[in-house]
Amino acid sequence: AQTVTQSQPEMSVQEAETVTLSCTYDTSESDYYLFWYKQPPSRQMILVIRQEAYKQQNATENRFSVNFQKAAKSFSLKISDSQLGDAAMYFCAPKRSSNTGKLIFGQGTTLQVKP
Amino acid sequence: NAGVMQNPRHLVRRRGQEARLRCSPMKGHSHVYWYRQLPEEGLKFMVYLQKENIIDESGMPKERFSAEFPKEGPSILRIQQVVRGDSAAYFCASSPTRGYNEQFFGPGTRLTVL
Repeated sequence: AQTVTQSQPEMSVQEAETVTLSCTYDTSESDYYLFWYKQPPSRQMILVIRQEAYKQQNATENRFSVNFQKAAKSFSLKISDSQLGDAAMYFCAPKRSSNTGKLIFGQGTTLQVKP
Repeated sequence: NAGVMQNPRHLVRRRGQEARLRCSPMKGHSHVYWYRQLPEEGLKFMVYLQKENIIDESGMPKERFSAEFPKEGPSILRIQQVVRGDSAAYFCASSPTRGYNEQFFGPGTRLTVL
């Protein structure tokens, strides 16, 4: 069974600075996808970034990028030039690429952005 | 192009009553997933449905919970004889095909059991 660990329950960052959220996972699958979702106070789940495990190149989406280390089963999220609107809970979620559709979510990291 | 819709957004039930949560997937999406989020926790998978079929219900409690996704109409998550421990946010997500890897989430239904 897949397990996901987000070891930082809370993080804070100064506005305009950079912060990295960590995530490790355990899977026996060779082919899978990894996602970071953001959940602001509205509780809406918003996809931040996705990574295909077969790709060596780290995904980037504007100010968001990942550091994907497949051998170490690590998938960290870097937020550059942090903005007040980035304050939210962030969830890491791997997903098998086979027929089952379920996402396995970590416990989440609450990010506070200080002005 | 409306997103995933869930209703009601807030639902209050007394212990022993039934709760019905509805999810309308995005237009053109035929795959629906239900997740539950307990306070201060991440989302936990409950069930994955395709129209008229349950594909994976490995996360559903064995009793009192059921889900359906009929040929016409929204997907329904039904909780019978609710207990206080059922209080949580229930999220629905949809995707267009089985192999499509991104899931689009609805705003959630917050269930409170008194």
